Amino acid sequence: QKEVEQNSGPLSVPEGAIASLNCTYSDRGSQSFFWYRQYSGKSPELIMFIYSNGDKEDGRFTAQLNKASQYVSLLIRDSQPSDSATYLCAVNDGNTPLVFGKGTRLSVIA
Amino acid sequence: DTEVTQTPKHLVMGMTNKKSLKCEQHMGHRAMYWYKQKAKKPPELMFVYSYEKLSINESVPSRFSPECPNSSLLNLHLHALQPEDSALYLCASSYYNEQFFGPGTRLTVL
Repeated sequence: QKEVEQNSGPLSVPEGAIASLNCTYSDRGSQSFFWYRQYSGKSPELIMFIYSNGDKEDGRFTAQLNKASQYVSLLIRDSQPSDSATYLCAVNDGNTPLVFGKGTRLSVIA
Repeated sequence: DTEVTQTPKHLVMGMTNKKSLKCEQHMGHRAMYWYKQKAKKPPELMFVYSYEKLSINESVPSRFSPECPNSSLLNLHLHALQPEDSALYLCASSYYNEQFFGPGTRLTVL
């Protein structure tokens, strides 16, 4: 059974701080890693994906992947109240459907 | 453009009704998906279409019937649903691995 684990939160950070969201996965054959942001009552929005070990930056977001440790993270710099949402980690091996974690609820306090 | 559209936005139906959900994308994506999402849970995969053929059915009850009339359209036909089927129904599409969700249909079964 392929599993993706996330801390459900809530993770509370002050405005302007760095929010760090973590995800571990069980399948060593996983090749693709995704972060989705989901606001309450809305659909998931793809905000980052990463395929190789290391860091990938896009604006205030940085995804970090460590395949040896089976660990992927999302850093949000200069967190804003508008970043308050549930963040879903999703993983697959490139041939099978995405496996989602249960999501981490982030609350950015103004 | 990474837009997936879904209609209707909201749907209320009785247990004896027949209704359909519609999903459309014009990004040339060859894989399309139906998910069901309950509150505070991750999306749960229902069906996958690849090149207009049903490739995955996650043991979904027969009261849900998917249809892919062409490469841009995906329907979900609903019949004799139960109140526990009330949820957010999400359509998604992908070209390779990056999967994009539509806004969803909020379904309430009375």
